[in-house]
Amino acid sequence: GAGVSQTPSNKVTEKGKYVELRCDPISGHTALYWYRQSLGQGPEFLIYFQGTGAADDSGLPNDRFFAVRPEGSVSTLKIQRTERGDSAVYLCASSTNRMGDTQYFGPGTRLTVL
Amino acid sequence: AQKVTQAQTEISVVEKEDVTLDCVYETRDTTYYLFWYKQPPSGELVFLIRRNSFDEQNEISGRYSWNFQKSTSSFNFTITASQVVDSAVYFCALTGGGNKLTFGTGTQLKVEL
Repeated sequence: GAGVSQTPSNKVTEKGKYVELRCDPISGHTALYWYRQSLGQGPEFLIYFQGTGAADDSGLPNDRFFAVRPEGSVSTLKIQRTERGDSAVYLCASSTNRMGDTQYFGPGTRLTVL
Repeated sequence: AQKVTQAQTEISVVEKEDVTLDCVYETRDTTYYLFWYKQPPSGELVFLIRRNSFDEQNEISGRYSWNFQKSTSSFNFTITASQVVDSAVYFCALTGGGNKLTFGTGTQLKVEL
């Protein structure tokens, strides 16, 4: 079946602009995760949804970052007033809601803030 | 807090050599799950294996094998008879009760002819 998809694959924006990154999880997966990966580092957790609600948003770096999942499927990560330090690959993953279940990752969105 | 350490930043081997990638973890959870992912140059994270804290059996899948030792908090990954296609960054990751994954910094494996 189809895996996790993310759009766009690349996004270039100017400092101070607003961006939205989209994630479409594997069908039937109720859990959805956002991670951020900087060059040469492992992915870092941002936020986790169980259904429509954010079960853990402890990884969001500040209030410029926000994510929604209104119908419990597709999720959008929103970044306001982007800064150069936001440049990274943003990864989305999904899984079933069983504890410790495998998270399957999408191809990521490479965000570049000029 | 949870932590995953992959002390080997980069390893280079010649094709057909065996190679072991080390992973050491820290957690206070009694139930936890360990993972290995592969990230080839294309960038997508590919799931390799999942192991829960109650199952210390070693696992073999083709040329891949994993050694989980709770006594040393290690979950090492061995590739036998490495191939050029194994060249990638390999990540070890850990999750406890909260589901979010904590990743190590990764090991870049280069397999040369």
